[in-house]
Amino acid sequence: NAGVTQTPKFQVLKTGQSMTLQCAQDMNHNSMYWYRQDPGMGLRLIYYSASEGTTDKGEVPNGYNVSRLNKREFSLRLESAAPSQTSVYFCASKTGAGGLAGYNEQFFGPGTRLTVL
Amino acid sequence: DAKTTQPNSMESNEEEPVHLPCNHSTISGTDYIHWYRQLPSQGPEYVIHGLTSNVNNRMASLAIAEDRKSSTLILHRATLRDAAVYYCIRPTTGNQFYFGTGTSLTVIP
Repeated sequence: NAGVTQTPKFQVLKTGQSMTLQCAQDMNHNSMYWYRQDPGMGLRLIYYSASEGTTDKGEVPNGYNVSRLNKREFSLRLESAAPSQTSVYFCASKTGAGGLAGYNEQFFGPGTRLTVL
Repeated sequence: DAKTTQPNSMESNEEEPVHLPCNHSTISGTDYIHWYRQLPSQGPEYVIHGLTSNVNNRMASLAIAEDRKSSTLILHRATLRDAAVYYCIRPTTGNQFYFGTGTSLTVIP
């Protein structure tokens, strides 16, 4: 099992460029998440997908779009990158979409380090 | 409000037990408490989670107060590899996980 994989590992963009961060999991999990982590800060939720075909906004969704392509893959798109989006982006997944809050744990990918100049 | 409160930093001597506290005074009766840790330059890693009673696994123990308004993560013998930021999280009913800034644990050799 590879777990949660993310591509690319590193990326440098110029202001106004667009790009898509890819995330895939091979654990047959229903729920997937995108977070960003700024230097010295905790993780903040951007978007999540409780199940295939659904997506919802988290704490900081502005400037991002997501696509739950299938059960395995959840992508994050920056349409017009800004320096404020310089951050480390983590994808996570977990089994189960409903039930008691937090019944199951999340599994995280290694992250994508994005710099916007 | 799904936020939790943790000290910004703690120190421990190597091979001694560490007790990391967390306050979650607004928790509801069916919300789990999760703990994750993040080693430098890595993604967060699951440590342990529980609902009401104390929980143990190979990494740590979780002690949950009887009123569930606080919990303590216990590392029985700290090693240098345990130096990390530890996050206490109370997932919401929408299964969103809100990370704060966590507790940065320094282990002193």
